[in-house]
Amino acid sequence: EPEVTQTPSHQVTQMGQEVILRCVPISNHLYFYWYRQILGQKVEFLVSFYNNEISEKSEIFDDQFSVERPDGSNFTLKIRSTKLEDSAMYFCASSEDGGGSGYEQYFGPGTRLTVT
Amino acid sequence: GQNIDQPTEMTATEGAIVQINCTYQTSGFNGLFWYQQHAGEAPTFLSYNVLDGLEEKGRFSSFLSRSKGYSYLLLKELQMKDSASYLCAPFLYNTDKLIFGTGTRLQVFP
Repeated sequence: EPEVTQTPSHQVTQMGQEVILRCVPISNHLYFYWYRQILGQKVEFLVSFYNNEISEKSEIFDDQFSVERPDGSNFTLKIRSTKLEDSAMYFCASSEDGGGSGYEQYFGPGTRLTVT
Repeated sequence: GQNIDQPTEMTATEGAIVQINCTYQTSGFNGLFWYQQHAGEAPTFLSYNVLDGLEEKGRFSSFLSRSKGYSYLLLKELQMKDSASYLCAPFLYNTDKLIFGTGTRLQVFP
């Protein structure tokens, strides 16, 4: 069964450093997402991406964050200058069509980001 | 704003039936997903309701009442592996994002 993959599984970085989290969505999917989950808290939407541009972003997704689809398979989340409060599990997800259409989103296994 | 309410924790015995409730107040409601999340893992899709009524899928069923802003997930013949968090996630018109509740942590005991 096709699945979303993410690398690395765990990333440790120092405050102020840049990190890039990588995802390979399911190949025939058109919509891509990033969510995050701070330990013990709920899963929070960060950004959705369709047709090579951001379709929606949350208040969390400020200027420190950016997303890119550099080629036909990868989807990346960059955090320019990490803060302690960015420590969380970051999930990539993809879907065949938009969430508003009722298409399920398939989640990757996550990257645990620890900022020290 | 969006408001989703689920019980924080529930316990049940192996082989039993458990019902996890979710109430929501959202604008532009289109439908609702239920996801399962084991500790330290990604959410995985369980069910999807758009119309009122019960959707059955093996040991799992989900019910929706749009007029009451209410859904439940029914798990039958509980197994130890069903110990996980269950996330209610409404989806809305004109947005692609999922809005997750805090989830219900279910512990199944032998």
